[in-house]
Amino acid sequence: NAGVTQTPKFRVLKTGQSMTLLCAQDMNHEYMYWYRQDPGMGLRLIHYSVGEGTTAKGEVPDGYNVSRLKKQNFLLGLESAAPSQTSVYFCASKQTGKDTQYFGPGTRLTVL
Amino acid sequence: KNEVEQSPQNLTAQEGEFITINCSYSVGISALHWLQQHPGGGIVSLFMLSSGKKKHGRLIATINIQEKHSSLHITASHPRDSAVYICAVKYSGGGADGLTFGKGTHLIIQP
Repeated sequence: NAGVTQTPKFRVLKTGQSMTLLCAQDMNHEYMYWYRQDPGMGLRLIHYSVGEGTTAKGEVPDGYNVSRLKKQNFLLGLESAAPSQTSVYFCASKQTGKDTQYFGPGTRLTVL
Repeated sequence: KNEVEQSPQNLTAQEGEFITINCSYSVGISALHWLQQHPGGGIVSLFMLSSGKKKHGRLIATINIQEKHSSLHITASHPRDSAVYICAVKYSGGGADGLTFGKGTHLIIQP
């Protein structure tokens, strides 16, 4: 099993460009999460999903959109990237009824 | 806003030393997690605690629910233990939005 994978691993964007980050999990988990990690701060929740076709806002959702069309995939979109969105993005998933989250390897995004 | 505080923020020690990292939180929780983030960036779960103590190899995690405090101990530390250690809590009554994370403790073990 691959666990949780993220694509791409690195990306550089110019201000105003758009992109989509893909998270995929092969553990049949219902719950999926997108976090961002910035220097000197803990992981902060952007959006999450409790199942296929459902999404909800987390702590820092502005400037991001998400979709969960398939249970195994959770997409994070930036419609018009800003330098403040320079960060490392982590996806995670977990089983229903459990608290332990399984993390992807992260995507390092730089917005110039 | 419910906070998770970790101390120290940075810790450098010599190989073989006993390491303690602390975590405190502000309100009732249903579970506390310790995670490890390797220098390459990957994050793995080490422990989940709701009471008492857990041990895995050279790692020991304890929690005191009354004092709202947890500690992660590393015995006979080794350079491969160098990583960022993150405390995260699931607040009682918390919904599907999951965990609240501390800022992490950056540990360096020197040979």
